[in-house]
Amino acid sequence: KNEVEQSPQNLTAQEGEFITINCSYSVGISALHWLQQHPGGGIVSLFMLSSGKKKHGRLIATINIQEKHSSLHITASHPRDSAVYICAVSLSNDMRFGAGTRLTVKP
Amino acid sequence: DAGVIQSPRHEVTEMGQEVTLRCKPISGHNSLFWYRQTMMRGLELLIYFNNNVPIDDSGMPEDRFSAKMPNASFSTLKIQPSEPRDSAVYFCASSFVGLETQYFGPGTRLLVL
Repeated sequence: KNEVEQSPQNLTAQEGEFITINCSYSVGISALHWLQQHPGGGIVSLFMLSSGKKKHGRLIATINIQEKHSSLHITASHPRDSAVYICAVSLSNDMRFGAGTRLTVKP
Repeated sequence: DAGVIQSPRHEVTEMGQEVTLRCKPISGHNSLFWYRQTMMRGLELLIYFNNNVPIDDSGMPEDRFSAKMPNASFSTLKIQPSEPRDSAVYFCASSFVGLETQYFGPGTRLLVL
């Protein structure tokens, strides 16, 4: 079993829909990261969080340390949000990555 | 700031050849990371440096891989000899402190024939 599990693997939405991507992990972590990988391959770090909730524009990330679970929400989704979203966790001296969720937002 | 700079952006080589990937982190960042991404295995952390010192290289696949950071503004990842299974995109990232928010370079797409 992977230490970091993401769901769903693939997600197709209509423009304007509210989107949720989930991440569960099975190891003790110091922080959790959400990354966005664009169709061209570039990777951008969206959030790093160790507790609670963070918001940036239309993106919201939450984490529940007790349940070892995090969610990434996108409000009012737009075709430019189409990308692969990757959940990653920081261990003491290492990182583990989820397999990614491929999001397609149709106009 | 120009962000993290990687070179070359693309590399095609033959099996057995030496490959050297280069990375310039963001100025002022103290930590540098090398990652590999493949379709089969996704993203993997190979090694990371803190203040130019390797902290954890347990992700380095085998002795054919080596990484150096001779100063705060430059790092190399070397594969010698290269094999077809090394074909992947190699990302370099840097952060101000340890495993905090990281800034990724554009990646080097390596194809070993």
